[in-house]
Amino acid sequence: EAGVTQFPSHSVIEKGQTVTLRCDPISGHDNLYWYRRVMGKEIKFLLHFVKESKQDESGMPNNRFLAERTGGTYSTLKVQPAELEDSGVYFCASSRTSGFTDTQYFGPGTRLTVL
Amino acid sequence: AQSVSQHNHHVILSEAASLELGCNYSYGGTVNLFWYVQYPGQHLQLLLKYFSGDPLVKGIKGFEAEFIKSKFSFNLRKPSVQWSDTAEYFCAVREGTALIFGKGTTLSVSS
Repeated sequence: EAGVTQFPSHSVIEKGQTVTLRCDPISGHDNLYWYRRVMGKEIKFLLHFVKESKQDESGMPNNRFLAERTGGTYSTLKVQPAELEDSGVYFCASSRTSGFTDTQYFGPGTRLTVL
Repeated sequence: AQSVSQHNHHVILSEAASLELGCNYSYGGTVNLFWYVQYPGQHLQLLLKYFSGDPLVKGIKGFEAEFIKSKFSFNLRKPSVQWSDTAEYFCAVREGTALIFGKGTTLSVSS
């Protein structure tokens, strides 16, 4: 089965611009997660979807970040307007269920650079 | 909230050396623990996980980890590393449905 895919792999934008990242989970996985790793820091949880509903968005840094999951399939994460501190690698993960024994499968990440 | 500490930022070993990477989490109770690995140019993948039962967990590629509840630790081990083990290793604990990661340990293995 195909893994989690993310697009683009890299994005370089200027401060103040808008960027939209996309994640396609593994087929049949109702749960989708976004994480971010700022350089030199740990990977941090941003939010969790169950199908199209936001289950937990406690990790979203501020209202410049908007995540959507249309129809419970792919998800987008929009940053508007981007700031320098938003630079980092954005990971998406998916799991079939949100049960504690279920594995989260990660995508390759999108490296975002804000200049 | 949980936090995870990985003691070593960068570990350099020769092939066939033994490996132990430290991981501590911040508080107890029932914990679900994970080690993920990211090989160069690849995505994060699960090495092993612990939920309950035998505290010695076997994973892929010859890795194992031991859960020691009294020490809040979940150290990763491998008896003999290979050049192909060069990667970044992440320890994580589940909090709700989120994974809380440590900062990662880069392992460089020289042949």
